[in-house]
Amino acid sequence: DGGITQSPKYLFRKEGQNVTLSCEQNLNHDAMYWYRQDPGQGLRLIYYSQIVNDFQKGDIAEGYSVSREKKESFPLTVTSAQKNPTAFYLCASSTYAQETQYFGPGTRLLVL
Amino acid sequence: AQTVTQSQPEMSVQEAETVTLSCTYDTSESDYYLFWYKQPPSRQMILVIRQEAYKQQNATENRFSVNFQKAAKSFSLKISDSQLGDAAMYFCAFLRGSNYKLTFGKGTLLTVNP
Repeated sequence: DGGITQSPKYLFRKEGQNVTLSCEQNLNHDAMYWYRQDPGQGLRLIYYSQIVNDFQKGDIAEGYSVSREKKESFPLTVTSAQKNPTAFYLCASSTYAQETQYFGPGTRLLVL
Repeated sequence: AQTVTQSQPEMSVQEAETVTLSCTYDTSESDYYLFWYKQPPSRQMILVIRQEAYKQQNATENRFSVNFQKAAKSFSLKISDSQLGDAAMYFCAFLRGSNYKLTFGKGTLLTVNP
């Protein structure tokens, strides 16, 4: 089955700790995205990548980092610089710009 | 910057009835795309329907259809023959033609009553 997988489903972060959220897709999509969702809010773009080894900041990139070493994978690291990381994180992919973005099941990040 | 407004935080509908969810957007662009996504309690975002701004014909997908009024910058979603499984948060989203970023509204929570 083609699709987007995210892991883990739940993640707990201690103060001062970096954590990495995984996103993998087997849809052969070129573009991948990370969004953050807070309660009562729509999604906000953190980072996006159009091709391997290239990525751009979205609206709320501070405190986050990404890499795109493989077409299928786009991991997101939440660094200790992100002071309010508790949120639901969604990964998405699309064939290219102007095409529909399809979403993974999400990761819930909580701070201990 | 583009903005998307969903003026109905919550809506309810009886099973088998029809409901319309509202969405307005603000843009100076002429090339763009509009979407409705559904987020059920599982929280996965699921595409409901997509509309290209250059198309005059309103998009339809089975029981889901849109009323796209380009001049008024309005993009409403009509759900016919509502089913219990339609209960979810519905998000309207805007994609500029030259950009990758989806801009989302804050959502409308739809309840379907049996």
